[in-house]
Amino acid sequence: DGGITQSPKYLFRKEGQNVTLSCEQNLNHDAMYWYRQDPGQGLRLIYYSQIVNDFQKGDIAEGYSVSREKKESFPLTVTSAQKNPTAFYLCASRGEGQNYGYTFGSGTRLTVV
Amino acid sequence: RKEVEQDPGPFNVPEGATVAFNCTYSNSASQSFFWYRQDCRKEPKLLMSVYSSGNEDGRFTAQLNRASQYISLLIRDSKLSDSATYLCVVGKAAGNKLTFGGGTRVLVKP
Repeated sequence: DGGITQSPKYLFRKEGQNVTLSCEQNLNHDAMYWYRQDPGQGLRLIYYSQIVNDFQKGDIAEGYSVSREKKESFPLTVTSAQKNPTAFYLCASRGEGQNYGYTFGSGTRLTVV
Repeated sequence: RKEVEQDPGPFNVPEGATVAFNCTYSNSASQSFFWYRQDCRKEPKLLMSVYSSGNEDGRFTAQLNRASQYISLLIRDSKLSDSATYLCVVGKAAGNKLTFGGGTRVLVKP
């Protein structure tokens, strides 16, 4: 079955550590996205990529970095510069055509300990 | 003004009743419209796309009003399992990023 896989499901980070969240898709979608969701809040865009080897900052990119070396993969690194990283992180991809919505992975819940 | 705005609710709905709520968007160039459903601590899942002529999927009906820049979702014969947060999602063009509203929480009670 085609879909998006995020790992790990739960991640604990110590102060000052960088951590990388994995996102892999086998839907053959060009566009991929990273969102952050805080409790009781909406989704905020961190980074997005519309094609391999290219990506753009979203609304809250500070303290995060991404790479897009392969079409299938769009990992997100939460750096020590991100002062409040505890959140639910969602990866999504989107097919071509305006009637296509996002397909989401099941998310990674990151907690700073 | 936010790009996509929703009444956060909660809408408390008796089982079997009908509930409807709207979402307004600010960008008149928007072309793609969707409703997503999100359960607590889960990822959002596509409920339905919203087409210009309006569309229905079982108990769910979505409408688009371009003149007033809003979309609506109506749920008939509400089930307990319809309890969730409903996210309004708007996009400007194919392949472009989508913008999410803050969500409307619906609680269906026996």
